[in-house]
Amino acid sequence: DAGVIQSPRHEVTEMGQEVTLRCKLISGHNSLFWYRQTMMRGLELLIYFNNNVPIDDSGMPEDRFSAKMPNASFSTLKIQPSEPRDSAVYFCASSWGPDNEQFFGPGTRLTVL
Amino acid sequence: GENVEQHPSTLSVQEGDSAVIKCTYSDSASNYFPWYKQELGKRPQLIIDIRSNVGEKKDQRIAVTLNKTAKHFSLHITETQPEDSAVYFCAAKGAGNQFYFGTGTSLTVIP
Repeated sequence: DAGVIQSPRHEVTEMGQEVTLRCKLISGHNSLFWYRQTMMRGLELLIYFNNNVPIDDSGMPEDRFSAKMPNASFSTLKIQPSEPRDSAVYFCASSWGPDNEQFFGPGTRLTVL
Repeated sequence: GENVEQHPSTLSVQEGDSAVIKCTYSDSASNYFPWYKQELGKRPQLIIDIRSNVGEKKDQRIAVTLNKTAKHFSLHITETQPEDSAVYFCAAKGAGNQFYFGTGTSLTVIP
C-alpha cells in the first residue's frame, strides 16, 4: 500500500481563487481526518469522517471551507474563495476507526498570495 | 470542549539523557491519548498511544504514563539519540470524538 496520498503537494494561488485539495485513504481505512498546520496555531483538526459521514466539523474555520467524501476512499477539501490567511500545510490522515493510529499523508503546502 | 496543554515548548538534552514532555487535558471523558513525532518538513507519525484503561505503556526507549485523576499524561524518552530530535505532539480524543492536539515540543538532542 502506498499510504495516504495527497495532491497537489504544493499549491500557489491568488486570493479569491478556489482551491481543492485531494486525499486518498489507505485501503481498508474508514476514518478520514483533515488537519491544518501553521507556526502560529500548530496542528488543528478541521473535520473528520467515519464511514463517509462527517462526525465533527467544528474545526472548519468558516463557510469558505468545505469537505466531502464522494466515496469510501477519497476526500476533497475545498476553499472558496481563498485568502492569504489560509496559507498553511494541510494534512489528511486515515485510520481504521477513530480510536486507532492515524496515518498522515505527506501534506499539501498551500500559499495564497 | 477539550483543552490540551503541552509543556515545555522547547527542550534540549544531552545525548544519552532522558527527555520528558507533559500534557494536561480538561475533558475527564477523554479516552485515547496518542503521541506523534514530526521531523522537520515531514508528516506527523504515531510513536506511542495509550487508552484510558491503562496507566502506563512502554515501547523500547519510549514510554507514556497516564494519570486520569490528575488528567495528565507524559512522554518519556530514555537514552536519547540525535535522531530523536523532532517536534512531539500530544493529543487527546474527547467524548465527542474530537481530537485536540497540544502545541508541540521541539526536542533537540545534543550529540
